[in-house]
Amino acid sequence: TQLLEQSPQFLSIQEGENLTVYCNSSSVFSSLQWYRQEPGEGPVLLVTVVTGGEVKKLKRLTFQFGDARKDSSLHITAAQPGDTGLYLCAGEPLQGAQKLVFGQGTRLTINP
Amino acid sequence: GAGVSQSPSNKVTEKGKDVELRCDPISGHTALYWYRQRLGQGLEFLIYFQGNSAPDKSGLPSDRFSAERTGESVSTLTIQRTQQEDSAVYLCASSPIGTSGGQETQYFGPGTRLLVL
Repeated sequence: TQLLEQSPQFLSIQEGENLTVYCNSSSVFSSLQWYRQEPGEGPVLLVTVVTGGEVKKLKRLTFQFGDARKDSSLHITAAQPGDTGLYLCAGEPLQGAQKLVFGQGTRLTINP
Repeated sequence: GAGVSQSPSNKVTEKGKDVELRCDPISGHTALYWYRQRLGQGLEFLIYFQGNSAPDKSGLPSDRFSAERTGESVSTLTIQRTQQEDSAVYLCASSPIGTSGGQETQYFGPGTRLLVL
């Protein structure tokens, strides 16, 4: 069974600070996705990374896929209260297309 | 509608009762997924439908769980003889037919919050 471990599980910081969330596995994934989920809603896709070492930026969010495609990170610069939510990483195994493996999530709270 | 819809949004039931949860995917999306999300946790895959292929039921936790899909439209997830440990948010997602790379976006519904007393 392929697992994705996210850390930290909970993070509460002040507005304006920077933070990094990690998603790690011992398995290789063909792609990795990051979702954000707000209370009472389903997850919404933020980004998909496919190539080892790939870096994608979405405004203040920077996503990186590890060179070996086993891990990923999400870095937020100058966090804002609107960034509050549950961040989930999800990996597509090398076999079994479209059946994503989800991490347990990082619950992020940005305090004004 | 424009997105995935699920009903009911909330369901409270007594232990031992059967429940049926409904998912309306985005029109034209051939793939449909059901997930379970326990409080404070990530998503647990339950079942996957792709077109007319046999569904992938490998994530169903017990034979009390079953799901059906009519063509490429509505899906229902049925839980028989509910137990307290079935309490969770049940999320449905749909995606358009994918490439072999499987880099498809999954569009999630808002979920059904099930509480078994």
